[in-house]
Amino acid sequence: QKEVEQNSGPLSVPEGAIASLNCTYSDRGSQSFFWYRQYSGKSPELIMFIYSNGDKEDGRFTAQLNKASQYVSLLIRDSQPSDSATYLCAVRRDYKLSFGAGTTVTVRA
Amino acid sequence: GAGVSQSPSNKVTEKGKDVELRCDPISGHTALYWYRQSLGQGLEFLIYFQGNSAPDKSGLPSDRFSAERTGGSVSTLTIQRTQQEDSAVYLCASSLDSLYEQYFGPGTRLTVT
Repeated sequence: QKEVEQNSGPLSVPEGAIASLNCTYSDRGSQSFFWYRQYSGKSPELIMFIYSNGDKEDGRFTAQLNKASQYVSLLIRDSQPSDSATYLCAVRRDYKLSFGAGTTVTVRA
Repeated sequence: GAGVSQSPSNKVTEKGKDVELRCDPISGHTALYWYRQSLGQGLEFLIYFQGNSAPDKSGLPSDRFSAERTGGSVSTLTIQRTQQEDSAVYLCASSLDSLYEQYFGPGTRLTVT
């Protein structure tokens, strides 16, 4: 079992819709959770982090964490063509980040 | 403020040559990390520095790979006797300390011919 698993995608959503990305992790000792956006040919860019159970909102992005279910998600509201990218879920235990393989999102105009 | 910087941005080298990749972390960040991302693959952890010490070198793929950090700042990743399978994007990240979020540099794309 991989440490961090993401729905494989690709995920295609119409402009203005909500994109929903899911991530599960296997280590119950995981302490904090991150979402990175990676445009093709670029490095990962941190867009959200969440440490506690519940929801965290930042602009059009909402991260949701459920530690009991070992599940973290990212919602992108009012999706824009500029949101087209690969989204990486990362899970931290102590200093170490473990990454999922990523979900590619395409927002179609 | 300035983000993480890496140099060179691209490096093409012949099989068997040595290469050095450099990372300048965000000022004040004590933790520094190296990752590797191969085409179509996920991010692979290589090594972690806290200050100038490397408590975890477990991700280095072979003894051809080494890294150092000096002055609690700049880090160099060295690959000796490069092989074609070393071709990848090498990413550096830094964080305020090991418990904080990591910010990535733009990466060095290494191609071994």
